Amino acid sequence: DVKVTQSSRYLVKRTGEKVFLECVQDMDHENMFWYRQDPGLGLRLIYFSYDVKMKEKGDIPEGYSVSREKKERFSLILESASTNQTSMYLCASAPSAGTGGEGYGYTFGSGTRLTVV
Amino acid sequence: KQEVTQIPAALSVPEGENLVLNCSFTDSAIYNLQWFRQDPGKGLTSLLLIQSSQREQTSGRLNASLDKSSGRSTLYIAASQPGDSATYLCAVNRYNFNKFYFGSGTKLNVKP
Repeated sequence: DVKVTQSSRYLVKRTGEKVFLECVQDMDHENMFWYRQDPGLGLRLIYFSYDVKMKEKGDIPEGYSVSREKKERFSLILESASTNQTSMYLCASAPSAGTGGEGYGYTFGSGTRLTVV
Repeated sequence: KQEVTQIPAALSVPEGENLVLNCSFTDSAIYNLQWFRQDPGKGLTSLLLIQSSQREQTSGRLNASLDKSSGRSTLYIAASQPGDSATYLCAVNRYNFNKFYFGSGTKLNVKP
């Protein structure tokens, strides 16, 4: 059973702090993703990674960076937290579609509720 | 860009009713479609995954169908229960694009 673990369920940080959100998966998935979810806006992709040390910007990367030094771990970094980054952050992982590789999907972590004050 | 729409945004039904949730997408060149459930303040739990070569998948009281040509999927919930109350989201992706596109969800309330 694939597990995606997010290190914190709730976080409260101050404006201007550097914040690290950690995500670990245990199924050797190539792809990992960070989303944020806000009422009325749905899920928005921040960054994703398809391999170690590889990253691509999603739809809303501004104010965020990511790190993937090991396959199982994908970190989201808020360089200088601001109140508009208060949100639910969701990490997901998925295997790569191989040749004709259908049938894969996302597995999500339980989310981190971040409040910036 | 793929756009995914879910209608209705909210639905309230009495317990025991059979119901259908709808998901439509603009680009029919999808590879997989996945239905999720989300409880308040929690992450997303995968319910069903339909591969592009399939037309439907079933799990217990849930049945999801896929019609790529019309850009639609439906999630059928039989004999609804209060425990089914949650937000249901659908997501689609394209081959070799591991990124999924999400709908905004249908919030379901099943009244005892």
